[in-house]
Amino acid sequence: EAGVAQSPRYKIIEKRQSVAFWCNPISGHATLYWYQQILGQGPKLLIQFQNNGVVDDSQLPKDRFSAERLKGVDSTLKIQPAKLEDSAVYLCASSSLLRTASRREAFFGQGTRLTVV
Amino acid sequence: KQEVTQIPAALSVPEGENLVLNCSFTDSAIYNLQWFRQDPGKGLTSLLLIQSSQREQTSGRLNASLDKSSGRSTLYIAASQPGDSATYLCAVNNKAAGNKLTFGGGTRVLVKP
Repeated sequence: EAGVAQSPRYKIIEKRQSVAFWCNPISGHATLYWYQQILGQGPKLLIQFQNNGVVDDSQLPKDRFSAERLKGVDSTLKIQPAKLEDSAVYLCASSSLLRTASRREAFFGQGTRLTVV
Repeated sequence: KQEVTQIPAALSVPEGENLVLNCSFTDSAIYNLQWFRQDPGKGLTSLLLIQSSQREQTSGRLNASLDKSSGRSTLYIAASQPGDSATYLCAVNNKAAGNKLTFGGGTRVLVKP
């Protein structure tokens, strides 16, 4: 089974520029998450999709961050304009939505390390 | 609102010693709890998943326990090796929030040869 794919792996941009990250979840997984992980901290949920609908985006800075999930499969996360404090690793994860608890295991991609200078 | 805490934030032990990592959570209405490993600059690798109905889960030198009523989980790593040096994160899957994963801050482990 292929894992969660993310690209790019690394990105360096100047402040006020825009950037986009892409995620392809495991086939058939209804739930897709985007997390932001600042150095030395645990991941913080930015947005959670169930198929192509948003379940939770309460911690997404909507003035600069946007995300979409096309046809309930791939997803993109965009930052425009970027700030210095957006420097972090952006992690994408997916999980199934079957009723048995064990099937709710989350699988993570390798992440995208963003540096804003 | 679910809050997850991991103590200690950092841990240094000599090789061969057993590791004990703690995770506590405030809302016991969970589907499961996962332990992850994260190497510097890398993504998250799932180590163990404990369902809410289980009390422990084992994989090789790793053993994780879950006491849902007290909101605690412990990850034991037996006979630690330098290769176990990494950050360990726990995350709970919350029933109230429909599959939402909430993470602790992690424990950074260093195993000295």
